[in-house]
Amino acid sequence: DGGITQSPKYLFRKEGQNVTLSCEQNLNHDAMYWYRQDPGQGLRLIYYSQIVNDFQKGDIAEGYSVSREKKESFPLTVTSAQKNPTAFYLCASRTHGRRIDEQFFGPGTRLTVL
Amino acid sequence: ILNVEQSPQSLHVQEGDSTNFTCSFPSSNFYALHWYRWETAKSPEALFVMTLNGDEKKKGRISATLNTKEGYSYLYIKGSQPEDSATYLCAFNVNYGGSQGNLIFGKGTKLSVKP
Repeated sequence: DGGITQSPKYLFRKEGQNVTLSCEQNLNHDAMYWYRQDPGQGLRLIYYSQIVNDFQKGDIAEGYSVSREKKESFPLTVTSAQKNPTAFYLCASRTHGRRIDEQFFGPGTRLTVL
Repeated sequence: ILNVEQSPQSLHVQEGDSTNFTCSFPSSNFYALHWYRWETAKSPEALFVMTLNGDEKKKGRISATLNTKEGYSYLYIKGSQPEDSATYLCAFNVNYGGSQGNLIFGKGTKLSVKP
């Protein structure tokens, strides 16, 4: 079945460590996105990529990094520079073109910094 | 700073009640308005994408309207069922030079339907 997978579902990290969240899609979508959700807040855009080997900062990119070496994959690294990394992280994708398409979401990763 | 407001923040209704909630968004630079349903422990799923002022969309018991001139959209659920319990997200697409910009999300309305 086509879809977006994120792993792991739960992730625990010690303060000061970098950690990488996985996002894979087999929908043949060009654009991929990373969002962060905190309690009482809307989804906030961290990074996005509209094509392989290209990505752009979103509204809250500080302390995060991404890569887009393959169309199917868009991993997010939460670095030790991110001051408050405990949150729920959602990955999404959509086709990139003239049509107005909805985004398809993965199941999310909950990151807890101990 | 572009802002999307949703109200109410949460809603508790009885099975069979009809309900509606609101999404307010900037009326300038409009490109599209999205509604998503997000059930607990699942991924958000798209309900509607709306682009034209006066647009009305329907999917089963759920429908939505759009007013781009005044910057609001309503989501209606007729005869709520327990399986409608979810958080309903509204997201606004900025008009980015004639193209679809990124989504700006509201905080959502959490609906609980009691049997």
